[in-house]
Amino acid sequence: GESVGLHLPTLSVQEGDNSIINCAYSNSASDYFIWYKQESGKGPQFIIDIRSNMDKRQGQRVTVLLNKTVKHLSLQIAATQPGDSAVYFCAENLEGYKLSFGAGTTVTVRA
Amino acid sequence: DARVTQTPRDKVTEMGQEVTMRCQPILGHNTVFWYRQTMMQGLELLAYFRNRAPLDDSGMPKDRFSAEMPDATLATLKIQPSEPRDSAVYFCASGLGTGGSTDTQYFGPGTRLTVL
Repeated sequence: GESVGLHLPTLSVQEGDNSIINCAYSNSASDYFIWYKQESGKGPQFIIDIRSNMDKRQGQRVTVLLNKTVKHLSLQIAATQPGDSAVYFCAENLEGYKLSFGAGTTVTVRA
Repeated sequence: DARVTQTPRDKVTEMGQEVTMRCQPILGHNTVFWYRQTMMQGLELLAYFRNRAPLDDSGMPKDRFSAEMPDATLATLKIQPSEPRDSAVYFCASGLGTGGSTDTQYFGPGTRLTVL
C-alpha cells in the first residue's frame, strides 16, 4: 500500500542553525499534509499544514515546502532552539479524515 | 487553553485484565480519534467518531477492543482481555469536524499501557 516515509530517522543540529526535515510520500492523490512535533512523554502537536494547491507555507519560524512532482515534503525550522528537540512527523490525508503518519525524524539540538 | 485530556496517564496491568482508557475532547469538537503508537508500527488509527457516532473502527481488533462515546465530553477505549502485545501509548485526538481533509486533529497526552 502507499505510505508516507521520512528520509532520515535522526537529525543533529547546532543551536541557532536552520533545520530541514524531509518527507517522501507516495500517494499522489493526497491533498493535505501536516507536520506534527512530538516531545518526549507528550502527544503529537500540530505545527503547520499545507494543501496540495500550494507549494509553500510559512508559520512562525517554520516553513513547509511541497514538491508534488517528486512527492516530497519538507519542514524548515529557522534559528533552531533547544525547545525544538523532538520527533517530527509528517502526515498525509487519506480518505477524508484518515491521516497516514511517517515514521518520524528525531531532531536533537546541540548547545 | 483548551486541550484534550486523557486518563490514566500510565497503566500497568496483568494479562487478561480489563483496561479502560478515557478521553475528554476539546469542548465544541465533534470528531474524536483513537490512535495507538508503538516503536514498530508508529501511529495507527484505531477508531474515528463523528458527532458521537462510530464511523470507522477498522483499525481496531474487534474481538477485544471496543470504543464508545457515552456523551460529547467523554470517549472511552476498552480492552478486554488485555494481552502483552497491547502494550503501547494510546492517544486520543479531537477536531472541529468542519468536514473534508483539512480538519486539524489535536492530540491528548496519551495513556501509556503496559500489559505484563
